[in-house]
Amino acid sequence: AQSVTQLGSHVSVSEGALVLLRCNYSSSVPPYLFWYVQYPNQGLQLLLKYTSAATLVKGINGFEAEFKKSETSFHLTKPSAHMSDAAEYFCAVSDQGSSNTGKLIFGQGTTLQVKP
Amino acid sequence: GAGVSQSPSNKVTEKGKDVELRCDPISGHTALYWYRQSLGQGLEFLIYFQGNSAPDKSGLPSDRFSAERTGGSVSTLTIQRTQQEDSAVYLCASSLVGSGVNQPQHFGDGTRLSIL
Repeated sequence: AQSVTQLGSHVSVSEGALVLLRCNYSSSVPPYLFWYVQYPNQGLQLLLKYTSAATLVKGINGFEAEFKKSETSFHLTKPSAHMSDAAEYFCAVSDQGSSNTGKLIFGQGTTLQVKP
Repeated sequence: GAGVSQSPSNKVTEKGKDVELRCDPISGHTALYWYRQSLGQGLEFLIYFQGNSAPDKSGLPSDRFSAERTGGSVSTLTIQRTQQEDSAVYLCASSLVGSGVNQPQHFGDGTRLSIL
């Protein structure tokens, strides 16, 4: 079975500081990994995806993530936080089990707070 | 272009009533997913439709939940005899292809369901 664990339910950074949101996965097959962002009262918006083409993936809004197989990690980073980055972030893995539906298995989410 | 559209955006109903939630996916997307987002359980998969194939209903929490997709497009999620634990945000997503392929899912803004 595949799973995702996000370390830290809340992360607080100052505006301009580095953002680091942690995600570890468990998968018996090469995973497809995603980061989504959710703003209040909105659905999920795709930030970036890993599909084995490159280990460093660049996404929208200056975010990027690095796939590290040895560490089973897919941490999300941004060099300089902006107030507009305050939101909830979800790491997800695409199901490739027996049903092979592509359904997403989500982590518990990390709320990012950006302080002025 | 138009994204995934869900209606209603908010629904308040009394315990024991039936509710219908609607999802209109992105045109041309053959895969459609329903998820539930609640405080205690996070984001959970409910059901998956792919073209004319039989849906994957493995995530439906009880037989009070059902869904259909007519003409390969619009989907309706029905909850019968609602209970307070059904209160949650119900999210719909669509993608070009499901079945484990690395296509990202595009989410609607959800229906916030409150059971009194």
